[in-house]
Amino acid sequence: SYVLTQSPSVSVAPGETATITCGGDNIGRKSVHWYQQKPGQGPVGVIYFDRDRPTGIPERVSGSNSVNTATLTISRVEAGDEADYYCQVWDSTSDLPVLGGGTKLTV
Amino acid sequence: EVQVVESGGGLVKPGRSLRLSCIGSGFSFGEHAMTWFRRAPEKGLEWVALIRSNIYGGTTEYAASVKDRFTISRDDSKSIAYLQMDSLKIEDTAVYYCSRKSGSSYEYTPFDSWGQGTLVTVSS
Repeated sequence: SYVLTQSPSVSVAPGETATITCGGDNIGRKSVHWYQQKPGQGPVGVIYFDRDRPTGIPERVSGSNSVNTATLTISRVEAGDEADYYCQVWDSTSDLPVLGGGTKLTV
Repeated sequence: EVQVVESGGGLVKPGRSLRLSCIGSGFSFGEHAMTWFRRAPEKGLEWVALIRSNIYGGTTEYAASVKDRFTISRDDSKSIAYLQMDSLKIEDTAVYYCSRKSGSSYEYTPFDSWGQGTLVTVSS
């Protein structure tokens, strides 16, 4: 089955740029979706289809995807960005969703 | 406003059963695949089960960890998706989240609406 790999944690100071990566075999050929989950809350989509921002997500949140790594970038990080972030793709062999292990962003 | 709300969580003994419900509003429920995820303490988010729209036969899929113990179903007349959990194990303890899949059932689209979750605790 398809596997997504994320670093367990990323730490940045307020105002800096956070880079969260998601590795997978030829992930560049897939559409990657990203979700943010804050403590005590349900997940929220922050990037769909590699780079599209859902309504309400600020422009300082961006995504990219190439070859074997998808990247979520959060510029000018704020305290409110502190959360767990998950990447997700669909396994075309099984038609099932696959999640990365999640990255905890500490600000 | 698109919304999904879970209910039915609680404390249950190992080996017992529990049924979770997820009611959707603000959208044509029957047109969407519905999904359950969970997050165990100190663990990451895990996909649990999916049920496609009845337009696509209402077919179901399960994670290996719950296959043959959990059953996902839907009642489109009530806009509710269910997760019947049987033979519960301690390791099933988690917050369970319901989510709507955007687009049609076989498109590789994101999960665009999530609930706040319902806590299931399996303990003797």
